[in-house]
Amino acid sequence: SAVISQKPSRDICQRGTSLTIQCQVDSQVTMMFWYRQQPGQSLTLIATANQGSEATYESGFVIDKFPISRPNLTFSTLTVSNMSPEDSSIYLCSLIGGKTQYFGPGTRLLVL
Amino acid sequence: GDSVTQMEGPVTLSEEAFLTINCTYTATGYPSLFWYVQYPGEGLQLLLKATKADDKGSNKGFEATYRKETTSFHLEKGSVQVSDSAVYFCALVMDTGRRALTFGSGTRLQVQP
Repeated sequence: SAVISQKPSRDICQRGTSLTIQCQVDSQVTMMFWYRQQPGQSLTLIATANQGSEATYESGFVIDKFPISRPNLTFSTLTVSNMSPEDSSIYLCSLIGGKTQYFGPGTRLLVL
Repeated sequence: GDSVTQMEGPVTLSEEAFLTINCTYTATGYPSLFWYVQYPGEGLQLLLKATKADDKGSNKGFEATYRKETTSFHLEKGSVQVSDSAVYFCALVMDTGRRALTFGSGTRLQVQP
């Protein structure tokens, strides 16, 4: 299985600021995903990020709030813009290997 | 759309007890099914999977069988340990189209010594 790393692992941010989360994979993958896990909740898909095309966002998520970059087949970033306390969550990137989806360790974000 | 329903938690068991966490799904086709586990303070790990009807996934003493007739994928373990305390997520993915996982709400398991 692929090794997925995320930076930062956690952060505490002030409302109104933005944070960019990086996801690095040790192999080339076409399709990557970004999920959000709010406190005590399940995972919700934010968007699908394919290299060479615009990210596809799920209902309730917009590019202005969660811009995503996918400059190559091993890297992606998710920015959480103009943060509010409601954005406090764990953000996870993931990829598909075969028929299985693997997850990064997550970025724990607390917005004050 | 596709959905996954899990039994609500928390589930509290004594060590060596038998565990069942129910999971049923709704899908417009034949999905692959997964159980993921999230230990306290950690990320999401794949526990086991099954990609077609009647397949049995197993790992670390946990088992789940893909039952097409009942659209279920219940997680079982014969003898739980304190170290099994975690949140367990059932999930599905379709092999075509939208490849992202659809998750259940998660079930917290607490095992007491």
